[in-house]
Amino acid sequence: DGGITQSPKYLFRKEGQNVTLSCEQNLNHDAMYWYRQDPGQGLRLIYYSQIVNDFQKGDIAEGYSVSREKKESFPLTVTSAQKNPTAFYLCASSIDRTRATNQPQHFGDGTRLSIL
Amino acid sequence: KQEVTQIPAALSVPEGENLVLNCSFTDSAIYNLQWFRQDPGKGLTSLLLIQSSQREQTSGRLNASLDKSSGRSTLYIAASQPGDSATYLCAVGTGNQFYFGTGTSLTVIP
Repeated sequence: DGGITQSPKYLFRKEGQNVTLSCEQNLNHDAMYWYRQDPGQGLRLIYYSQIVNDFQKGDIAEGYSVSREKKESFPLTVTSAQKNPTAFYLCASSIDRTRATNQPQHFGDGTRLSIL
Repeated sequence: KQEVTQIPAALSVPEGENLVLNCSFTDSAIYNLQWFRQDPGKGLTSLLLIQSSQREQTSGRLNASLDKSSGRSTLYIAASQPGDSATYLCAVGTGNQFYFGTGTSLTVIP
């Protein structure tokens, strides 16, 4: 079955540590997205990528970094510069923006990150 | 910047009742609107997508409408069931990204 796989499901970060969240899709989608979800708030966009080797900052990119070396993979690194990283992180994909008018966004099951 | 609002934030109804969830957005220049369901601790599951040229979409007991000019969408759930209990989010596609509302938490009481 096609879908998006996020790992790990739970992740703990120590002070000063960088951690990387994995997102893999086998839907052959060009566009991929990372969102952060906090209680009582809507999803906020961290980074998105519309093509391999290209990505753009979203509304809350500070303290995060991404790479897009393969179409299938879009890992997110939460750096030590992100002072409040505790949140639920969701990865999504869509065919691409220009052709996406009738294509939905698909989501993974999320990674919950906590501070030790 | 696009702002998306969902009212009410929480809703509790007895089983069997029909209900309406509301979503409003500030910029009508959207290319689609999507309704999602989210169960606790899980990702989002797509329910319905309405293209900007459409007025409504239906899937089973769900019907979503879109009025771009007034910046509103509604999700109608017929004959609610306890299994419908979840948080429902709407998202509008505009520019290069999707903007999400904060969701409506629905509880259907048996």
